[in-house]
Amino acid sequence: EVQLVESGGGLVQPGGSLRLSCAASGFTLNYYNMNWVRQAPGKGLEWVSYISISSSTIYYADSVKGRFTISRDNAKNSLYLQMNSLRDEDTAVYYCARVSSAWYELDYWGQGTLVTVSS
Amino acid sequence: DIQMTQSPSSLSASVGDRVTITCRASQSISSYLNWYQQKPGKAPKVLIYAAFSLQSGVPSRFSGSGSGTDFTLTISSLQPEDFATYYCQQSYSTPYTFGQGTKLEIK
Repeated sequence: EVQLVESGGGLVQPGGSLRLSCAASGFTLNYYNMNWVRQAPGKGLEWVSYISISSSTIYYADSVKGRFTISRDNAKNSLYLQMNSLRDEDTAVYYCARVSSAWYELDYWGQGTLVTVSS
Repeated sequence: DIQMTQSPSSLSASVGDRVTITCRASQSISSYLNWYQQKPGKAPKVLIYAAFSLQSGVPSRFSGSGSGTDFTLTISSLQPEDFATYYCQQSYSTPYTFGQGTKLEIK
């Protein structure tokens, strides 16, 4: 069974840092491109970042560019999101999601991890 | 950036109704349009990809159409488990923007 399990969320002060992890099981991570998507409380979905299989192609939303870093360790079947200089508006549930095909749809999602930025 | 606009933002309907949700892109995205369903407290689930391709395991009452800038998601006969929020997403170019969502509620 394909599973994605996020961890690393929590309460952090503005300006602080967190590192999110996404552990993949039931499939081989190094065959798939991956994304992070977030959802602020009561709001819609916001795409955050994309990383290709070999990490050669990486994209970020403008709202996080320069502050967040996506990475992966295919040997550990894990995806990461390093979040620095956190702001109140980064408060959200963060989901990792697998890219399924050449159409870039997201076919499997984790359960999400909540990041709360507050003093 | 490509803006995605869904309509309506909310919709009340009854079990058995036929429902259509529309999504408009601010520029052509060919067929790079995906539809997701999200229930409260749960992760989104892909229903339709490439504008009209039904994801494996998704009931055939869901269908998608359109290309270019205008797209629709249709549920042919609403079931109780279909009451949820629906999002479109373009995967043509980054940032892979989502629509604002359509909340489908029971009438």
